[in-house]
Amino acid sequence: DGGITQSPKYLFRKEGQNVTLSCEQNLNHDAMYWYRQDPGQGLRLIYYSQIVNDFQKGDIAEGYSVSREKKESFPLTVTSAQKNPTAFYLCASSIAGGPEKLFFGSGTQLSVL
Amino acid sequence: DQQVKQNSPSLSVQEGRISILNCDYTNSMFDYFLWYKKYPAEGPTFLISISSIKDKNEDGRFTVFLNKSAKHLSLHIVPSQPGDSAVYFCAASEYRNQFYFGTGTSLTVIP
Repeated sequence: DGGITQSPKYLFRKEGQNVTLSCEQNLNHDAMYWYRQDPGQGLRLIYYSQIVNDFQKGDIAEGYSVSREKKESFPLTVTSAQKNPTAFYLCASSIAGGPEKLFFGSGTQLSVL
Repeated sequence: DQQVKQNSPSLSVQEGRISILNCDYTNSMFDYFLWYKKYPAEGPTFLISISSIKDKNEDGRFTVFLNKSAKHLSLHIVPSQPGDSAVYFCAASEYRNQFYFGTGTSLTVIP
């Protein structure tokens, strides 16, 4: 079954700690995205990648980092510089160069201890 | 600045009636629009899309209308069913590169 897998579903971060959220897709999509959802707000783009070994900042990239070493994987690291990390994080993928739609994973809820 | 806006945070509709969810945008260069449905603690799932060359697209009970001059789109669900209760997001893109999402409307369909 093709899809996007995000793990873990729930994650807790201590002060000053970096945490990494996993996103894997087997849809053979070139483009991958990370969004953040806060209560009462829409999905805001953190980072996106159209091709392996290349990625661009979205609207709220500060305090986050990503890598794209493999087509299937696009992990997101929430660094200690992100002062308000509590949110629901969504990974998505699409065909690059004119996607019809984004396919989303089931999300990771990150909370600060 | 929010480029895509959904001004109604919530909407309640009786089962069998029409649900109308609205979305406004500010960027006249947006040429592709989508609606997503989202349940709590899950990822959004795609519902329906429309290109700026059209003013209407229909898929079963779901119809999306686009008014480019007013920079407004709406999603009509007819007839509404209890299983339609969810948060609905509209999204817009320019050349289908980066998608901008609205804040969502929580729809409750009352049996």
